[in-house]
Parts: sequence; C-alpha cells; structure tokens
Amino acid sequence: QITLKESGPTLVKPTQTLTLTCSFSGISLSTSAVGVGWIRQPPGKALEWLALIYWNDDHRYSPFLKSRLTITKDTSKNQVVLTMTNMDPVDTATYFCAHETYGSGSFYAWGQGTLVTVSS
Amino acid sequence: QSVLTQPPSVSAAPGQKVTISCSGSSSNMGKNYVSWYQQLPGTAPKLIIHENNNRPSGIPDRFSGSKSGTSATLGITGLQTGDEADYYCGTWDTRLGWVFGGGTELTVL
Repeated sequence: QITLKESGPTLVKPTQTLTLTCSFSGISLSTSAVGVGWIRQPPGKALEWLALIYWNDDHRYSPFLKSRLTITKDTSKNQVVLTMTNMDPVDTATYFCAHETYGSGSFYAWGQGTLVTVSS
Repeated sequence: QSVLTQPPSVSAAPGQKVTISCSGSSSNMGKNYVSWYQQLPGTAPKLIIHENNNRPSGIPDRFSGSKSGTSATLGITGLQTGDEADYYCGTWDTRLGWVFGGGTELTVL
C-alpha cells in the first residue's frame, strides 16, 4: 500500500519562502520509474501541477512557476521537499503530493493535502 | 482558465448514466494518455481511470474511460449518491507538463 503525507506550515507571510515535505511509504525513490510530485488546489478551484522529481533525479517544473520552485529528494528518508519562494496571497491553496510512475502520466496515489494560507 | 476543457457541472438521477467530456489539443491529449480523478468533498483526488481506459484495482466497472483524438470521455453507469464529487481529467502536455481540466461537479438528483 502506498501512502503519502504532506507537512509544513499552515500560515506564511507574503514574500516568505514556503517549504513543504512529503513523507511516503510503499514506494522508493531509489526504484526505477518512481516519481513524486506536487499539485495544488486553491479553495474552490481546479488542480494545478507544480513540480515532480524522479528516481534518477530528473526534475520537472511548471513553466509558470519554475523560477520560484525547487524540488529535492532524500531517498534515505523517503521524503520529497518542495520550496516555493516569494509567496503571495494568490498562492493560498491545499498542496498535495502524489506518486507518478514514469511514462504513465497518472498520479496513482495522493496525500491528504495540507492547506497553506498566505496572509500578513 | 484550464488547458483541458470540461463542463462545469452535470447531473443525472440515481441509477442512470452520465458522461463527462474533456477536450484538449495536439500538444497534450493528442499524444498522451488521459487520466480521470474523483474528488469527494473535502478529500484528496483519487485516480479512477488511467491510460485512457484502465481502472485501478478497486474501482468498480461502473466507471469507464475513452479517448479519441484530442477528446476524452468519462462514463459512469448505475449512478449512486456516493458518486457525487468533482471529476478532473488530466494528461501530460509537451510544453506545460501535467495539466488538468477545470473540473466537473456531478450531482446525483
């Protein structure tokens, strides 16, 4: 069984940097074809993909947010970390991490999500 | 505005069938697999269709998917009140990465 769980601050101030951690089990980022990504959802709005990292350290970023995002992995801890700089109130959203298998195009398992509010 | 286009809402009576459309372009759905996700109120999305028409283990065969060219369709038969949720299509876009539709709210009347 694959499980993922997001952790991080629930409130950040404008201009601050957000750091979120995805802790997972049932998969390993040392295994070929395994990927873990981040998707967010503003309240009442649609899903938006942010970033993804694969077992081979291949990184993918949304072109709209690429300059603000960094995704890294800690294979020994089964964690993926996303940092987003220069946070703005429009970045208020629930942030999900999810597992993708290389080439499938599908996010097979999702974390429960964590709501991040950007406000002074 | 989302890259993939879905109707904002659909509705049908219990026991009936409903379809949800998803329209894309040659840079996304025209080349790549389509997935469908179900998001029940207050929960995370759940994969219900992958690679255009495949159901993950545990997803009932009341759910089906199809794709033709740059369009895809999710079908749900034998509607139940528990199917009330938001449904999203998703795929890979060669320029934009993973993209999703705007979501369709299903109401079971």
